[in-house]
Amino acid sequence: GENVEQHPSTLSVQEGDSAVIKCTYSDSASNYFPWYKQELGKRPQLIIDIRSNVGEKKDQRIAVTLNKTAKHFSLHITETQPEDSAVYFCAASTDTGKLIFGQGTTLQVKP
Amino acid sequence: DSGVTQTPKHLITATGQRVTLRCSPRSGDLSVYWYQQSLDQGLQFLIQYYNGEERAKGNILERFSAQQFPDLHSELNLSSLELGDSALYFCASSVDMITEAFFGQGTRLTVV
Repeated sequence: GENVEQHPSTLSVQEGDSAVIKCTYSDSASNYFPWYKQELGKRPQLIIDIRSNVGEKKDQRIAVTLNKTAKHFSLHITETQPEDSAVYFCAASTDTGKLIFGQGTTLQVKP
Repeated sequence: DSGVTQTPKHLITATGQRVTLRCSPRSGDLSVYWYQQSLDQGLQFLIQYYNGEERAKGNILERFSAQQFPDLHSELNLSSLELGDSALYFCASSVDMITEAFFGQGTRLTVV
């Protein structure tokens, strides 16, 4: 069935370092891969997304890469700041729009 | 503010009861999704509606049901509630089925 595996479950970095979160999806029909940031008690907010016809996308300090062959996509955050601390979710969907989420990564950025 | 409105924000009810959660999508969005987030858990897809019709179902319990009305708002009905149903329930909406989804602030349901 549809499944998205996300690693690591927790990640602690020093301010200014880079953080990388990796996800693997199972449904080869998946063609849309968003990343959401969720702060404690708040709603998930889209931070970046990528479609299957693109291999990489960047938005300031955030970038996402996609390897369709390996069914693997990753989130890269550079120059991390304390306000980047949150739970990050990857997701995958097909043309139905239904998002299948990974289990989440709790990122802690230490000042 | 994402433009997706969920009511109520908080709900406390007893086991065995029935509740209704409401979601108003962003103006112009036809697709509505419901997700459940239990404590320390990820986001579990429950059900999706598009322009009034059910389009996809996830691991939604038989005690749960939903619908999308002609004005595009959606309701999630949870019945015979159990302690384990305590969770954050999120609604999300998107213009169609291939564009980004925006989440509401969620309804925190506590079953006691």
